Formats: sequence, C-alpha cells, structure tokens
Amino acid sequence: AQSVTQLGSHVSVSEGALVLLRCNYSSSVPPYLFWYVQYPNQGLQLLLKYTSAATLVKGINGFEAEFKKSETSFHLTKPSAHMRDAAEYFCAVSRSSNTGKLIFGQGTTLQVKP
Amino acid sequence: NAGVTQTPKFQVLKTGQSMTLQCAQDMNHNSMYWYRQDPGMGLRLIYYSASEGTTDKGEVPNGYNVSRLNKREFSLRLESAAPSQTSVYFCASSPGLAGGPETQYFGPGTRLLVL
Repeated sequence: AQSVTQLGSHVSVSEGALVLLRCNYSSSVPPYLFWYVQYPNQGLQLLLKYTSAATLVKGINGFEAEFKKSETSFHLTKPSAHMRDAAEYFCAVSRSSNTGKLIFGQGTTLQVKP
Repeated sequence: NAGVTQTPKFQVLKTGQSMTLQCAQDMNHNSMYWYRQDPGMGLRLIYYSASEGTTDKGEVPNGYNVSRLNKREFSLRLESAAPSQTSVYFCASSPGLAGGPETQYFGPGTRLLVL
C-alpha cells in the first residue's frame, strides 16, 4: 500500500529564509509524486510533480523538490520565503498504473514572519 | 474558462437530512474526483470517475453515493447526513489520458456542517 508522511504539521520561517517542507513516501512500485498548495479558503493547485524524467523538479513560484529514491523522500524547498508563500502544502503520491488515485499527506502549514 | 465549479459553497444540515453536492468542469476532462478535507488528515478520496459512465470507491466511500451525470458533471450525495460528515468537500478533475502523472484541478470547495 502507498502512503505519504509529511514531517511537521506547522513550519514557521522568516521572510527571506530557506523553506524546507519534508515528505517521505512508501510505495512498492515506482511512484508519481506531487506537491500541491492551498491558499486560505481556496482549492488546491499544483506546485510541481515528479515524472521520473529528472530527480530535481522545478515548479511554480520558485519552489523545487528533489526525488531521492534511497531515502524515499521528495522534500520541497525554496531559497527565500515571501509573505505570499504562507499557505498549506500537501505532498501526494499515485501509482504509475493508476494515476487517478492520489494519496495525500496530512499537510504542512507554512507561516512566514516579517 | 471557469475550471471546476462547486455548489453550494456552504451548507448546514441536520442529522438525517439528505443533500447533493454538485460539481461541474468545463475543461473536457475524462476523470473526476470527490475528496473530503479534515484537519490533520489531508485530503481523502471518497469516490472517483475515471471516465463518463464509470465510478469507483476511494478510501472513505461509506455514507456517500455519486453520479457521473455526463462528461461535465459529477455529483456527491449524502443520503442521511451524520455529524462525522462535517467537512470541506472538494471536487477535482484531470484529463484522464493513459500514462503519465496527471495534474488534478480542484474546485473551491463546499463547507458542510452537520448538526
């Protein structure tokens, strides 16, 4: 069975500081991995996704994530946080054989302090 | 393009009442999904429809039914609402093409409170 674990339900950083949101997955088959962002009172939107073409994936708004098979991780980073990055972030996994069924992590709320 | 739309935005029900949440997409997508979001639990898949005419259970289908009315519309029905169904419900759609990781596009959500 597949699962996703996001370490830390709440992360707080200062504006301009590095953002690191952690995601570990378990999957018996090669997974597809996603990061979604949810701004207050909105639906989710895709930040980036791992397609197996490259282990370092660049997404929107300056975010990127690195797929590390040996560590079963797909951590999300951004070199310099902006106030507008304050949101909830979700890591998700799907099986390559059934891309429709996403399994989401619990979510991490990012707070950005001025 | 409106993308994915959901109605209503907010609803209060009494235990035992029934209601239908509506979802429509204008992106000509084949696949549609219903999720519920609860604090600390992320999003959990209730039902999905890989293509028009098909539906399948997700992680938490109990207490819900769905109808894929046509390619555009996918409704979620609560026959007898329970307080445990208090949640935020999201509809999503994706192209539904074979192969490759698909982006799902989400609606704005429906907040449901069951008293």
